[in-house]
Amino acid sequence: DTEVTQTPKHLVMGMTNKKSLKCEQHMGHRAMYWYKQKAKKPPELMFVYSYEKLSINESVPSRFSPECPNSSLLNLHLHALQPEDSALYLCASSRTNPGNEQFFGPGTRLTVL
Amino acid sequence: GENVEQHPSTLSVQEGDSAVIKCTYSDSASNYFPWYKQELGKRPQLIIDIRSNVGEKKDQRIAVTLNKTAKHFSLHITETQPEDSAVYFCAASNSGNTPLVFGKGTRLSVIA
Repeated sequence: DTEVTQTPKHLVMGMTNKKSLKCEQHMGHRAMYWYKQKAKKPPELMFVYSYEKLSINESVPSRFSPECPNSSLLNLHLHALQPEDSALYLCASSRTNPGNEQFFGPGTRLTVL
Repeated sequence: GENVEQHPSTLSVQEGDSAVIKCTYSDSASNYFPWYKQELGKRPQLIIDIRSNVGEKKDQRIAVTLNKTAKHFSLHITETQPEDSAVYFCAASNSGNTPLVFGKGTRLSVIA
């Protein structure tokens, strides 16, 4: 398996909802990432997990809560989001260090009403 | 920290012509430079990358050049085809523990 997968593909949620985004890879990669991408902008790094430990948090609001249950899975828990959080959320992985080649998942298109 | 500038922001070429996208970086410690292609509604896909120990790398119609002294690198696409139309992002990192820093992207349109 040479892909990063993400579920769901689309998500619509209200500002009081709690939801989770899921990401999975079976390439044996030990670094995993969450990015947020707005239209016509580059991916914006949110979190980096290295060997299942959170190594980088780019000052992301606490309404976004990442979790790495094991080396293949990455979750992003969402709570009390704002409409401006609507975006494409991309997961990525790389073999080891964050500076190596990263492979992106297809993303979850999130709409916050 | 690293800063990556990318130019142009939009580029239109006729089918069959060449396209060149340029990026500059600020951190002389950066040593890994990937290029991603993102079609509308799709994921960014790694199309080519280069490390600082080489000056050029080619893969069929795509090539990347790196000038470490001037701190810039470029993507060259020859014999462009309509399916090359997409947004292209350059990025740079120090392949230790520093994450990729992306340029702002170039929207390439190939006109048939």
